[in-house]
This record gives sequence, C-alpha cells and structure tokens, in this order.
Amino acid sequence: DTEVTQTPKHLVMGMTNKKSLKCEQHMGHRAMYWYKQKAKKPPELMFVYSYEKLSINESVPSRFSPECPNSSLLNLHLHALQPEDSALYLCASSPGQGFDEQYFGPGTRLTVT
Amino acid sequence: LAKTTQPISMDSYEGQEVNITCSHNNIATNDYITWYQQFPSQGPRFIIQGYKTKVTNEVASLFIPADRKSSTLSLPRVSLSDTAVYYCLVGDLHYKLSFGAGTTVTVRA
Repeated sequence: DTEVTQTPKHLVMGMTNKKSLKCEQHMGHRAMYWYKQKAKKPPELMFVYSYEKLSINESVPSRFSPECPNSSLLNLHLHALQPEDSALYLCASSPGQGFDEQYFGPGTRLTVT
Repeated sequence: LAKTTQPISMDSYEGQEVNITCSHNNIATNDYITWYQQFPSQGPRFIIQGYKTKVTNEVASLFIPADRKSSTLSLPRVSLSDTAVYYCLVGDLHYKLSFGAGTTVTVRA
C-alpha cells in the first residue's frame, strides 16, 4: 500500500470553529509532513515529524497545531483561523531522511469563512 | 536554504521531448535534487531524484552538471496526459526543503 490518505477532502469552517485534519499512511514511513498550498503556488512546508517527534516548525502561527499520535497518523488541529488560511493542505510521508522521496496525499481543501 | 528558480511555463506538442531546467546556485554539499509532478487538485507525485551526473528511470531523465548549480528534467515523447505543473525540490537530510515556483507544461495535440 503506497497511499497516503487524508480526511476530510473538503472543509468549510468559521473563524471561531475548531476542526482537525487527518492523515494516515501504512508504508512504515518514519517522517510525515504538513504543507499548505495556495492556488498557483508551490507547496509551503509547515511541519515535519521525524520518528514521531516534531523536527521542523516553519514559524507557523499557533492557530495550527500538529499532532503525531503514532508513526502512521498525523493530525493538524485548527482553531481561530483567518480567511487567508484558506488553501489546500497536503500531507506527505517519506521513509525517514529529509531528501527521501515523499508520498503525498490528495489534500484537504479548506475554506475559512 | 537553496533558492530554486524555474521557468514559469513551457509549451510542447505530443511526441516531443520537454526539458525543464531548475537553477539552484547556492546548493549545499548535502542537498539532493528531486522533481515532482502535480495535476490540479491532487498532491504532487515523485518523478525522479539525483545528486550528480545523470539519472534515468522509466518516465524521465535528470541531468546534473558537475557544479550542481542547475538540473534539467527531461521528459521524452510527451503526451497530452503530461500536461501538469512540475516542481524542482532541493532538500537535505535534515528536512531543509526548498521547492521551486513550478513550471506549467502544456502539451498540445
């Protein structure tokens, strides 16, 4: 199974809501990533978990809170988002090293109203 | 972080070879170069990776000169289904990752 799954596919939330994005992989990968992608822009790295520990936080606002419950799961908790946070949120996994091939999920299309 | 620069767009016709060059002048010794393909509303998909010289797989070739300050992705005999955005990514062992802005390749019949 070489698939990364993400739920939900689409999410609309108000600025006062709390929601979570979920990502799962069963490839035995030890690194998992969250990216944010705006239209016609490249993916922008937000967080990296390596061996279930947060390794990279690219100065992401605290209204985004990542969580890695185990090596197969990655969550992104959302709270008090702004309309400019509307984007495609991509999850990826890789075997372990930073330069390894990344497997991306299909993304969650988030709209903040 | 290595800064990567790619052309914004390229047009081609079916059956032609497409070459996309990515510039990464300040690439570090430990950096690898990876190319991804992305279709609308999908996540990027791995195409090829290299460190130096030439790498070839079943879908593409990657040429990296000795100074490693650029890399060229070569797509042989493109078809309409190769219309997509192609990203160059420079990254190291420690998750220092830098995506290029992406090149939109349009293949026409």
